[in-house]
Amino acid sequence: GESVGLHLPTLSVQEGDNSIINCAYSNSASDYFIWYKQESGKGPQFIIDIRSNMDKRQGQRVTVLLNKTVKHLSLQIAATQPGDSAVYFCAENNQGGKLIFGQGTELSVKP
Amino acid sequence: DAGITQSPRHKVTETGTPVTLRCHQTENHRYMYWYRQDPGHGLRLIHYSYGVKDTDKGEVSDGYSVSRSKTEDFLLTLESATSSQTSVYFCAISESRTLSSYEQYFGPGTRLTVT
Repeated sequence: GESVGLHLPTLSVQEGDNSIINCAYSNSASDYFIWYKQESGKGPQFIIDIRSNMDKRQGQRVTVLLNKTVKHLSLQIAATQPGDSAVYFCAENNQGGKLIFGQGTELSVKP
Repeated sequence: DAGITQSPRHKVTETGTPVTLRCHQTENHRYMYWYRQDPGHGLRLIHYSYGVKDTDKGEVSDGYSVSRSKTEDFLLTLESATSSQTSVYFCAISESRTLSSYEQYFGPGTRLTVT
């Protein structure tokens, strides 16, 4: 079946550096994508979303890029901070509101 | 987690016993979801509700049932718990399922252990 995957299960960065978390999706009909952050022992928290008619969307310190040609999604975090340490999930909507989640990338920020 | 609570937050139960998890929201959102989260599988949809008494199955619904008698409450029941149902369970809500509002907001989770 269709699935969302992540290229790297773990990512370690130095505090202050930029982080890039990647995600591949397989359903070219998916029209909406979303990134979540999950801290240990907590539920996923919405970060940013993007619709398929866009290539880029920016939030506070975060940018999501969508490349529909290669079905690739990325989350960029600027000036990564220790508080950014968490697991990051991408998800796609390909069934009218039912999100399909990737397995997550663990981001570790070194002071 | 604002506006969404789950109870209990932790539970240990024995194989074969019934278990009910509760999700309560104060946002008056129409859609509610139950997910389970397991290592190597990410978040998987168990059941969802699109209104009072309106529910449907997700991808891993076997062994689970749900009920929604009020907008604010969505119950997940394991009729006879098995060890394979040991997991962390998350409830989520969303306002609508149009392209303008697909984002789902999650509760704090319930850690269930079946011995």
